[in-house]
Amino acid sequence: SAVISQKPSRDICQRGTSLTIQCQVDSQVTMMFWYRQQPGQSLTLIATANQGSEATYESGFVIDKFPISRPNLTFSTLTVSNMSPEDSSIYLCSVAGGDEQFFGPGTRLTVL
Amino acid sequence: GESVGLHLPTLSVQEGDNSIINCAYSNSASDYFIWYKQESGKGPQFIIDIRSNMDKRQGQRVTVLLNKTVKHLSLQIAATQPGDSAVYFCAEALYNTDKLIFGTGTRLQVFP
Repeated sequence: SAVISQKPSRDICQRGTSLTIQCQVDSQVTMMFWYRQQPGQSLTLIATANQGSEATYESGFVIDKFPISRPNLTFSTLTVSNMSPEDSSIYLCSVAGGDEQFFGPGTRLTVL
Repeated sequence: GESVGLHLPTLSVQEGDNSIINCAYSNSASDYFIWYKQESGKGPQFIIDIRSNMDKRQGQRVTVLLNKTVKHLSLQIAATQPGDSAVYFCAEALYNTDKLIFGTGTRLQVFP
């Protein structure tokens, strides 16, 4: 199984600012994903982070709000831009390894 | 830290009893299904998966049942232990994709 780390593990931010979340995997993987988990809710896919090309966003998520980088096969970043309290969530990255999909520990974001 | 599953349906069982957690999935084109366990403050942890060409799969203390006719998935946990207390999510993947669609989740509470 892949070992995934995320930084920061949590943060408290002011509205209008931006936060970049890092995801590091201990092995090269083709598929990386970013999910959002709002308080008390299930997980919702934000986008697929593609290495060497622009991320693929799901309905309701746009690049201007959630820019994503994927410079190599072990690393990705998600930026939450111009934050509002509604962006308070857990943000998780995941990787696909064969059939299984593994998740990082999540970044807990609170926007004041 | 933040709690997962504050507003989710809850299943309460006594230690040693069997637990059954149910999930209705949304898309008849989904061909891969996974159960995840999420403890407070952690990312989802893979438990067991099943492909649509099967209707039952067993792991250690866990069994997943798939009923494609009614689009229903269940997770059975034998001899439930306090360490099984967590929020459980089912997830589905459409044919030939790695993108997961998560169900709403069920909180399992195990009492001694």
